[in-house]
Amino acid sequence: SQQGEEDPQALSIQEGENATMNCSYKTSINNLQWYRQNSGRGLVHLILIRSNEREKHSGRLRVTLDTSKKSSSLLITASRAADTASYFCATEGLRAAGNKLTFGGGTRVLVKP
Amino acid sequence: DAGITQSPRHKVTETGTPVTLRCHQTENHRYMYWYRQDPGHGLRLIHYSYGVKDTDKGEVSDGYSVSRSKTEDFLLTLESATSSQTSVYFCAISAGLSYEQYFGPGTRLTVT
Repeated sequence: SQQGEEDPQALSIQEGENATMNCSYKTSINNLQWYRQNSGRGLVHLILIRSNEREKHSGRLRVTLDTSKKSSSLLITASRAADTASYFCATEGLRAAGNKLTFGGGTRVLVKP
Repeated sequence: DAGITQSPRHKVTETGTPVTLRCHQTENHRYMYWYRQDPGHGLRLIHYSYGVKDTDKGEVSDGYSVSRSKTEDFLLTLESATSSQTSVYFCAISAGLSYEQYFGPGTRLTVT
């Protein structure tokens, strides 16, 4: 079963708008990570937020983490056509051996020019 | 680019045949992983390795075996392929300050 569940499953926006997607998980975590996947390619690591952090920024990306609600959000500001991709959250469980991650089902984002 | 390659990139095989997928890394990372990606399921961990000859099962390991005889190579074997193993297979390594994962380009496997 998936640890992380993303919402929405799909998102369509205009270039320049912000895109927000959410991730919920079930068990306590060490960290939560977001990955991007362009069509037909492997996943690319975007950002990691540790369980003791509440917010993190990287360029146009902003991630929040609420461990009390077991949820995270990824905000992409001023979106571009090149941001069209699927976005996945992944969690490293508190007792995960081998740095294992559990991935959610992903959010497909379409940015229209 | 974490120097991860996968071979083959595409393969079509028949039910019941054995198949081996190869993951190769060039930077001596300790941890390596095999995932499968299917519509509606995201990525699911099949097996992982934490060193030469040290491997463990993931979430969906039935029907799969792995081997790691050298640091740089992690092999995934389907002993007798079934149609339910049609999928895209990704290899990953764990690296960086927080052991984030870096993925290979994937292998698209079709079992007919």
